[in-house]
Amino acid sequence: KAGVTQTPRYLIKTRGQQVTLSCSPISGHRSVSWYQQTPGQGLQFLFEYFSETQRNKGNFPGRFSGRQFSNSRSEMNVSTLELGDSALYLCASSSGLAGGLGETQYFGPGTRLLVL
Amino acid sequence: AQSVTQLGSHVSVSEGALVLLRCNYSSSVPPYLFWYVQYPNQGLQLLLKYTTGATLVKGINGFEAEFKKSETSFHLTKPSAHMSDAAEYFCAVRSLRNRDDKIIFGKGTRLHILP
Repeated sequence: KAGVTQTPRYLIKTRGQQVTLSCSPISGHRSVSWYQQTPGQGLQFLFEYFSETQRNKGNFPGRFSGRQFSNSRSEMNVSTLELGDSALYLCASSSGLAGGLGETQYFGPGTRLLVL
Repeated sequence: AQSVTQLGSHVSVSEGALVLLRCNYSSSVPPYLFWYVQYPNQGLQLLLKYTTGATLVKGINGFEAEFKKSETSFHLTKPSAHMSDAAEYFCAVRSLRNRDDKIIFGKGTRLHILP
């Protein structure tokens, strides 16, 4: 089975722009979660989608949004980029809810976003 | 509310020495517990997990962890460190108190292996 794929792998944007990141989960997985990873804050949960519905949301401003399509692929969007949005954005998929009943999450390699 | 505390953001051990990475959790109900590893420029990979049953859990690459309810701990150990173990390790907890629960990750511990 192919693993979780994320596109693009690297991205450079300037302040004020918007960006869309894409995640393709493992085939058959219905849950996709997004995380922001920075050296200072560590791994922070953004949101989780399950069967096209947002199930959980982290403490991020409304500039961060996401969606999931019927084929379980997911996108996250960040509008009006700020310098502090520079980070590694990780996507993870699982067949059930992330961690629920001990579900393992499978992570993609991440998209490294640099905001100038 | 759930929380996870990993003691020590950086841990250094000599090659061949015991590896001990500490994780304490807070959860009002029995938790599911996970250890993930992240190698440079990669995503996270599951090392091991505790769901139910035996409290000593064995994972990949010779790692194991023991769930101690009385101490609310889930420390990760490996008897003999190898250079390839240098990575960042994350402890995570999830309980199913309600459907809105989510998995919570610790801030991570970077393991350095000294030759």
